[in-house]
Amino acid sequence: EDQVTQSPEALRLQEGESSSLNCSYTVSGLRGLFWYRQDPGKGPEFLFTLYSAGEEKEKERLKATLTKKESFLHITAPKPEDSATYLCALHPRGSSNTGKLIFGQGTTLQVKP
Amino acid sequence: DVKVTQSSRYLVKRTGEKVFLECVQDMDHENMFWYRQDPGLGLRLIYFSYDVKMKEKGDIPEGYSVSREKKERFSLILESASTNQTSMYLCASSLQATVNTEAFFGQGTRLTVV
Repeated sequence: EDQVTQSPEALRLQEGESSSLNCSYTVSGLRGLFWYRQDPGKGPEFLFTLYSAGEEKEKERLKATLTKKESFLHITAPKPEDSATYLCALHPRGSSNTGKLIFGQGTTLQVKP
Repeated sequence: DVKVTQSSRYLVKRTGEKVFLECVQDMDHENMFWYRQDPGLGLRLIYFSYDVKMKEKGDIPEGYSVSREKKERFSLILESASTNQTSMYLCASSLQATVNTEAFFGQGTRLTVV
């Protein structure tokens, strides 16, 4: 069965304290893995797509990496405005063109000044 | 810029009312989705559509129906609203392709059923 597990559920960091969020997955075949950021009361905002093991994507203080079993979202020197819930989602090959995604439960990040 | 627009940010409805949530996308995407999001339960798929007039049940379709008469518009219908349907509702759309299949979300509709 295809599934996604994110850890930790919640993470508190001091401003400037780098860390990583984990997304572990099992899937029969991976079409893509996505990271989203969600602010309270708003819809998820797309951040990155990763397609194959070894791939990396960067945007400002965020870097996403992918292996065959997990993805990491590395946050370097975070600022309070990086506080949000970060969601990981899989697009399995089995979902073909319907685009059905499997979402993790998310990691809620709080960055204190 | 890609855009998915939901008709309301906040709605308050009475138990038993028929409720319509509208979603429009301007990206010419084939796939459209309705999710609900509740604390501790994450995103749960209600219905999705991969083509005009085509729809499939997601994980929690009970008490809901959908309509897709035009490619850009996907409506979620609560046939008879109940208090357990109080939730954040999120619409999304994506492309049918082998790459760039990420979903884009609307701003969400916070529905309260009283």
